[in-house]
Amino acid sequence: DAGVIQSPRHEVTEMGQEVTLRCKPISGHNSLFWYRQTMMRGLELLIYFNNNVPIDDSGMPEDRFSAKMPNASFSTLKIQPSEPRDSAVYFCASSFGEGYYGYTFGSGTRLTVV
Amino acid sequence: GENVEQHPSTLSVQEGDSAVIKCTYSDSASNYFPWYKQELGKRPQLIIDIRSNVGEKKDQRIAVTLNKTAKHFSLHITETQPEDSAVYFCAAGGGADGLTFGKGTHLIIQP
Repeated sequence: DAGVIQSPRHEVTEMGQEVTLRCKPISGHNSLFWYRQTMMRGLELLIYFNNNVPIDDSGMPEDRFSAKMPNASFSTLKIQPSEPRDSAVYFCASSFGEGYYGYTFGSGTRLTVV
Repeated sequence: GENVEQHPSTLSVQEGDSAVIKCTYSDSASNYFPWYKQELGKRPQLIIDIRSNVGEKKDQRIAVTLNKTAKHFSLHITETQPEDSAVYFCAAGGGADGLTFGKGTHLIIQP
């Protein structure tokens, strides 16, 4: 298995531009999680999906952030418009069922907004 | 929601000595407590986990203990080696919710 696949690995964009981060979970996993990691705030859960349905988006910082999971093998996290304070590493993770079997992180997307 | 506190934020030990990292959590419903190791520029990777029906678990040089009554759990690394240098995260969760992570401990192994 290729694991959780995220793209792009690095993204540099100008303030005000739209940014889309992508994630492919491990095949067979039915839960998907988006995290943001910064030095100041550590790993923060932004949103998670179970069976493609958003369960809790209370961690999404503001309306500029949105996430979708149109099918079991693909999810996106979109920031529009982007701001310099959005600069961080964004991780996607997936797991199977309850109990977090195989809870695995992707390699992350390092986002820099200038 | 769940709140996880992790201490210390930085830990420096001599190679060969033991290292202990401690975490507390707030939600008594949490029943799963994993530990992740993150090397510089890499993804967090699971190194050991424990569920609430177990008090202790060991895997070679690493062990985790859980005290559900006091809501705290700890990671123990014995005979530390240079490759143990990394940031370690504890986490707590239950049911189908996402994991809540501690702020991390930067473990430095001094040669």
